[in-house]
Amino acid sequence: DIQMTQSPSSLSASVGDRVTITCRASQTISYNLNWYQQKPGKAPKLLIYVASSLQSGVPSRFSGSGSGTDFTLTISSLQPEDFATYYCQQSHSTPGTFGQGTKLEIK
Amino acid sequence: EVQLLESGGGLVQPGGSLRLSCAASGFTFSNYAMNWVRQAPGKGLEWVSVISRTGGTTSYADSVKGRFTVSRDNSKNTLYLQMSSLRAEDTALYYCAKDRLGGSYGVDAFDIWGQGTMVTVSS
Repeated sequence: DIQMTQSPSSLSASVGDRVTITCRASQTISYNLNWYQQKPGKAPKLLIYVASSLQSGVPSRFSGSGSGTDFTLTISSLQPEDFATYYCQQSHSTPGTFGQGTKLEIK
Repeated sequence: EVQLLESGGGLVQPGGSLRLSCAASGFTFSNYAMNWVRQAPGKGLEWVSVISRTGGTTSYADSVKGRFTVSRDNSKNTLYLQMSSLRAEDTALYYCAKDRLGGSYGVDAFDIWGQGTMVTVSS
């Protein structure tokens, strides 16, 4: 199975900050990387698919980049509603493994 | 409105069985592969299983292989997960999730998620 490793595991930031979360795959996955946001008590929400495509309805302050084994999710200017946990997921091969999550907290 | 609604969770003893259901609405269910993803309390997301559009192909995480069976009834727009030989480590919130693209199988993002149904395995 492909292992996905996110860093950092947690992050404190302020409204307006630019934030970057990294995801690394244990083997190359081309562009087959997705990002989800999960708020407490809610289901995950798809933000980015195939590394850099913005899901419909997701604000443009979210962006994704990368290919191969290294990927990033960037939030250009944090808003209060962005404080949540973020997960990457590879969709290169079954099982579609997730990273362990990055909890983004208010500083 | 595109929606997935899980049901069937509850408290079950170790070694017991449970069947989860996921009712789909607002999209052509038979066009999409469907997945089960679980989340243990306070933990991250774990993909559990996927089933193809027709139900003819399935895949499972190693942690549930041989104990869980995924199926679907396209005439009822419903996805199922039959769980048996349940263990304490199967305790989790179980989500059903739809593949983003029609025609894909196990290699796609999940664009629609249900609200989840909780399974607790305990004596």
